[in-house]
Amino acid sequence: AQTVTQSQPEMSVQEAETVTLSCTYDTSESDYYLFWYKQPPSRQMILVIRQEAYKQQNATENRFSVNFQKAAKSFSLKISDSQLGDAAMYFCAYRGSGNTGKLIFGQGTTLQVKP
Amino acid sequence: NAGVTQTPKFQVLKTGQSMTLQCAQDMNHEYMSWYRQDPGMGLRLIHYSVGAGITDQGEVPNGYNVSRSTTEDFPLRLLSAAPSQTSVYFCASKPGPPVTEAFFGQGTRLTVV
Repeated sequence: AQTVTQSQPEMSVQEAETVTLSCTYDTSESDYYLFWYKQPPSRQMILVIRQEAYKQQNATENRFSVNFQKAAKSFSLKISDSQLGDAAMYFCAYRGSGNTGKLIFGQGTTLQVKP
Repeated sequence: NAGVTQTPKFQVLKTGQSMTLQCAQDMNHEYMSWYRQDPGMGLRLIHYSVGAGITDQGEVPNGYNVSRSTTEDFPLRLLSAAPSQTSVYFCASKPGPPVTEAFFGQGTRLTVV
């Protein structure tokens, strides 16, 4: 069975600095998708960034980028120029190639942004 | 478009009561899922559906029932509520390929006393 592990329950970063959130996963599949979701206090789940496993190039969305290491099964999220609005819980998630819509989530990392 | 709509947003139940959490999507998505979120455990899959009339169990299905009589609706039924079912519940939907991401409702915070 696939698993996703986020080993950092809490992280903090100074405003305008860069922070990296870690995520590792375990799977025997070769084709899959990885996601980072943001959950602010409003509870809404917001997609931050996605990565297709068949793509070697790391995904980037504005200030958010990933370091996808397929062989190491690692998928970290880098937030550059951190803003107060980035403070939230962040979840790493895995979806297999079966296209059922099923997601496997990590435990989450709470990010605090200090002014 | 309303997206994925969950009702109610908050609910308090007594142990042993039953209730249904509603989930509706107006995007004609094939795939729908229910998750529960507990502190330190992330979101865990309860049940999912790949289309009308088709449902299957996820990681933590005990104590919950689902049905999918229409594409739009995917209700989650708690048969006899227990304090261990105190959680935040999320419904999600996803279209078929090539779209890869799921869309989430606002969540329901359920407390069982």
